[in-house]
Amino acid sequence: GAGVSQSPSNKVTEKGKDVELRCDPISGHTALYWYRQSLGQGLEFLIYFQGNSAPDKSGLPSDRFSAERTGGSVSTLTIQRTQQEDSAVYLCASSSRVGDEKLFFGSGTQLSVL
Amino acid sequence: DQQVKQNSPSLSVQEGRISILNCDYTNSMFDYFLWYKKYPAEGPTFLISISSIKDKNEDGRFTVFLNKSAKHLSLHIVPSQPGDSAVYFCAANRNYGQNFVFGPGTRLSVLP
Repeated sequence: GAGVSQSPSNKVTEKGKDVELRCDPISGHTALYWYRQSLGQGLEFLIYFQGNSAPDKSGLPSDRFSAERTGGSVSTLTIQRTQQEDSAVYLCASSSRVGDEKLFFGSGTQLSVL
Repeated sequence: DQQVKQNSPSLSVQEGRISILNCDYTNSMFDYFLWYKKYPAEGPTFLISISSIKDKNEDGRFTVFLNKSAKHLSLHIVPSQPGDSAVYFCAANRNYGQNFVFGPGTRLSVLP
C-alpha cells in the first residue's frame, strides 16, 4: 500500500521497559510527525522532522522520549522506562512538506503500559 | 492550557439534517485552520481547511466558517449522512511551518 504504515498496531508492555514504535511514511514525503492521543484527549504533538533539518522536539514530554528518522524515511519513536501515563495511541503522519494541510496519518500504535 | 477547544464531546443528528461542529481557539497567532475526520482504528483524514484571510470555505456538503474576532470556527455538514459518523478534530497552525495543534475532538453520530 501507499499509505503511512505503523508497527506494531498494538503493544502491551510492563512499566519500566523500553519500547520502540516504527513509522514508514509515504514515499517521497519529506515531513514526518509523531502525535499521541491519550484517552479522551486530543492529538498531542510530539516531534516533527523536515528533510535534513534539525527536528522540532518541542512536544516530547520528557527525556525518556526520543525519535530518529533514518535516511529521511523510516522513523522510530523510543520510549525508555515506560510509565503508565505513557499509555496512548501513538500516531505518525507524513506530508510532502511541513505545514502542508494534507497530513496523511497511519492507523497508530496502541500502547498499553501495565 | 488547551489552545484549541471543542467543548462538545459528542453530537447526534438525524440523517438529512445539518450537523454543526464548533471549535474555539485562544492563540491569536493561528492563521490556518483545519478539520480532520477519524473513524475507529484508523488515522485522522483531512477534510477541509480555511485560511485566516477568509471567513468561509466550502467543499461539497462541508462548509467551514471562521469568525476571527470571536476566535471561533465551525464545520457545517449538509445534509448529514450515516457515513459521516466519526470523530471530528479541529486543528490550527501558524505560519505554515509550525506543528498542528489539535482539539480534543467531537464524536458525531448521524442517526438513520
